[in-house]
Amino acid sequence: DAEITQSPRHKITETGRQVTLACHQTWNHNNMFWYRQDLGHGLRLIHYSYGVQDTNKGEVSDGYSVSRSNTEDLPLTLESAASSQTSVYFCASSESGMEQETQYFGPGTRLLVL
Amino acid sequence: GQSLEQPSEVTAVEGAIVQINCTYQTSGFYGLSWYQQHDGGAPTFLSYNALDGLEETGRFSSFLSRSDSYGYLLLQELQMKDSASYFCAVRPVDTGRRALTFGSGTRLQVQP
Repeated sequence: DAEITQSPRHKITETGRQVTLACHQTWNHNNMFWYRQDLGHGLRLIHYSYGVQDTNKGEVSDGYSVSRSNTEDLPLTLESAASSQTSVYFCASSESGMEQETQYFGPGTRLLVL
Repeated sequence: GQSLEQPSEVTAVEGAIVQINCTYQTSGFYGLSWYQQHDGGAPTFLSYNALDGLEETGRFSSFLSRSDSYGYLLLQELQMKDSASYFCAVRPVDTGRRALTFGSGTRLQVQP
């Protein structure tokens, strides 16, 4: 069965360190997204990609970067982790060409920056 | 810009019917989606309204009125497992993006 996975599921890091969160999907979807979820804010878009070598900034992209070298993976990098980046991070994917474009979410990564 | 407003919490009893509202301010969007998220879990797709009116999927129904900038999710015959957070979401037309804009979510507590 197709799926979308994230790793690690939990991560504790220190302020100033570089952290990379992995996202891997086997749906063969062109579209991939990274959201962060904080209490009272719902899901906020960090970065997104419509295909290989394509990346775009979302509403809360400062301090984050992504790269898309293949269809399956969209790793999210925190260049220099800050306490404000403590959050739950969700990766999602969707298929292009349909108006609805239902998004399929990974299980999430809980990140704590000390 | 886009803004979706939902009540933060709703409480209901098992077997009852509950309606979760979503009001929005957006210049245009393709449709209104609803996602469910259990504590510690990932959001999962529930329903989508492309046009005004009611869409029914089992115990869940969703409604959209573009003229009133309003939608709702209706859950019938509530079960304990329906306790979760529910998010409305839109895909705006003006941004050209395929990403969703989410409301802040409504936490539903179903009591025995």
